[in-house]
Amino acid sequence: SQTIHQWPATLVQPVGSPLSLECTVEGTSNPNLYWYRQAAGRGLQLLFYSVGIGQISSEVPQNLSASRPQDRQFILSSKKLLLSDSGFYLCAWRWGGMDTGELFFGEGSRLTVL
Amino acid sequence: AQRVTQPEKLLSVFKGAPVELKCNYSYSGSPELFWYVQYSRQRLQLLLRHISRESIKGFTADLNKGETSFHLKKPFAQEEDSAMYYCALSFPSYNFNKFYFGSGTKLNVKP
Repeated sequence: SQTIHQWPATLVQPVGSPLSLECTVEGTSNPNLYWYRQAAGRGLQLLFYSVGIGQISSEVPQNLSASRPQDRQFILSSKKLLLSDSGFYLCAWRWGGMDTGELFFGEGSRLTVL
Repeated sequence: AQRVTQPEKLLSVFKGAPVELKCNYSYSGSPELFWYVQYSRQRLQLLLRHISRESIKGFTADLNKGETSFHLKKPFAQEEDSAMYYCALSFPSYNFNKFYFGSGTKLNVKP
């Protein structure tokens, strides 16, 4: 069976500090991977997506970046956090190469920037 | 561009009452529509998708291309239906499927 894990679950960081959120998928290969930010009243905002190793597409300009160093690993990063980066970050995957299919979500990582 | 609109942030109904969560979308092609649900302290999960034409936990949703709507309905709400509901749209883009979500509707079913 397939599983997806995110860590850390909770993170409190000062403004200007770096960020690294990690997401790992198990039990599948070559998945499509996604990073979303969930904000109250604003729903889920698509941040980044990836179809393969080293292939990252950004949906919106922002202070964050993403990387995919391995097939089933997706990392969300920032060099210097802003207050506005606070939020709940969700990683998701779906089967690659299919025309249709659902997204499977991780547990999420709550980031508070002080 | 706002692709998925959920006009209600909060919907409160009494147990046994009918419930309808509204979703409208904007996309000129043939998207796939989903409803996702997030129960308290659980991860976001798929409730149903339009191509399956299933009824899940008593919920149904019909895709109306003329009105570009995908409203979620249940004839008799239960307390355990209380959760956050998100409508989502997916469409192919090259070799990839993008998923866009609405802002969500919190359903509160009162006893």
